[in-house]
Amino acid sequence: EPEVTQTPSHQVTQMGQEVILRCVPISNHLYFYWYRQILGQKVEFLVSFYNNEISEKSEIFDDQFSVERPDGSNFTLKIRSTKLEDSAMYFCASESPYNEQYFGPGTRLTVT
Amino acid sequence: KNEVEQSPQNLTAQEGEFITINCSYSVGISALHWLQQHPGGGIVSLFMLSSGKKKHGRLIATINIQEKHSSLHITASHPRDSAVYICAAGGGSQGNLIFGKGTKLSVKP
Repeated sequence: EPEVTQTPSHQVTQMGQEVILRCVPISNHLYFYWYRQILGQKVEFLVSFYNNEISEKSEIFDDQFSVERPDGSNFTLKIRSTKLEDSAMYFCASESPYNEQYFGPGTRLTVT
Repeated sequence: KNEVEQSPQNLTAQEGEFITINCSYSVGISALHWLQQHPGGGIVSLFMLSSGKKKHGRLIATINIQEKHSSLHITASHPRDSAVYICAAGGGSQGNLIFGKGTKLSVKP
């Protein structure tokens, strides 16, 4: 069964460093999402992406964040200058033609 | 703004018990998702509902669009069902999901 994959599974970085989180969505899906979950809190929407552009973003998704699909398969989330409060689990999801979202296993980001 | 409320927050059951987790949302949606999150953190999609009822194995999900309410039922619960169950309401295609806080289920042998 096709699945969404994410790399790395765990990323440790120092405050102020740039990180890139990678996702490979399911191949015939067209909508892609990033969500995050701070430890002990609920999952929050960050951004949705369609046709090589952002279709919707939340208040969390400020200028420090960017997304792109550089090569038609990878879908990346970049955080330019990480802060301590960016520490969270980041989930990528892709949406089937039937509107069902499939989640990746997540990347745990730890900012020290 | 859509709010998603789940109850209970925590649930402990004995193996074999029938379990119900409830979810209410505040605005009209085109789809409601039930998700399962294991201690390692990964999320698995269980159901997506826009109306009626769906069944997969021992899991049943129902939705009442008029009442803006959905339930997830687990029949003959088993310790391996122990996880956090999350309800998420969304607008279907192009629609981001709004998540509930989750229900932590623990099934004792």
